[in-house]
Amino acid sequence: KAGVTQTPRYLIKTRGQQVTLSCSPISGHRSVSWYQQTPGQGLQFLFEYFSETQRNKGNFPGRFSGRQFSNSRSEMNVSTLELGDSALYLCASSLGASGVLSTDTQYFGPGTRLTVL
Amino acid sequence: KNEVEQSPQNLTAQEGEFITINCSYSVGISALHWLQQHPGGGIVSLFMLSSGKKKHGRLIATINIQEKHSSLHITASHPRDSAVYICAVSLIIQGAQKLVFGQGTRLTINP
Repeated sequence: KAGVTQTPRYLIKTRGQQVTLSCSPISGHRSVSWYQQTPGQGLQFLFEYFSETQRNKGNFPGRFSGRQFSNSRSEMNVSTLELGDSALYLCASSLGASGVLSTDTQYFGPGTRLTVL
Repeated sequence: KNEVEQSPQNLTAQEGEFITINCSYSVGISALHWLQQHPGGGIVSLFMLSSGKKKHGRLIATINIQEKHSSLHITASHPRDSAVYICAVSLIIQGAQKLVFGQGTRLTINP
């Protein structure tokens, strides 16, 4: 089975621009979660999608949004980029039937490294 | 105060040593995860625990729900075990389920 894939792997943007990141989950997985990792804050939960609906959300501003398609692929969008948005963005997929991250093993993608100049 | 605290933050040991990484949390949880992150960023889920103990090869993870504490042990450590080990807890905050991460423990095993 193919693992979780994320595109692009690296991205450079300037302040004020917007960016869209993509995540393709493992076949059969219906839950996709997004995380931000920075040296200062570590890993933080952004949001989780299940069956095309946002099921849970972390404490990030509205500039961070996402969606999930009928094939479970997910996109994350960040608008009006700020320098502090520079981070590694990771997505993870799971079967998702029991609710976010409670008893399902998460399978992580390689991440997209976003640099905001 | 973070809901999840890991110790130590950094750990350097010689090949073959027994390694212990600790994770304490302050709230009720539904599950605890141990993750491994190698240089380059890729994360692998090692264990998911809600009680007791799990073993996979040279890795052992335990959890004490009453004491709100978990440990990850590595026996006969090897340089390829060098990575950042991250503890994460699944919990409910204000009616929403979330995964909260510890800051990670950077492990370096010297040959």
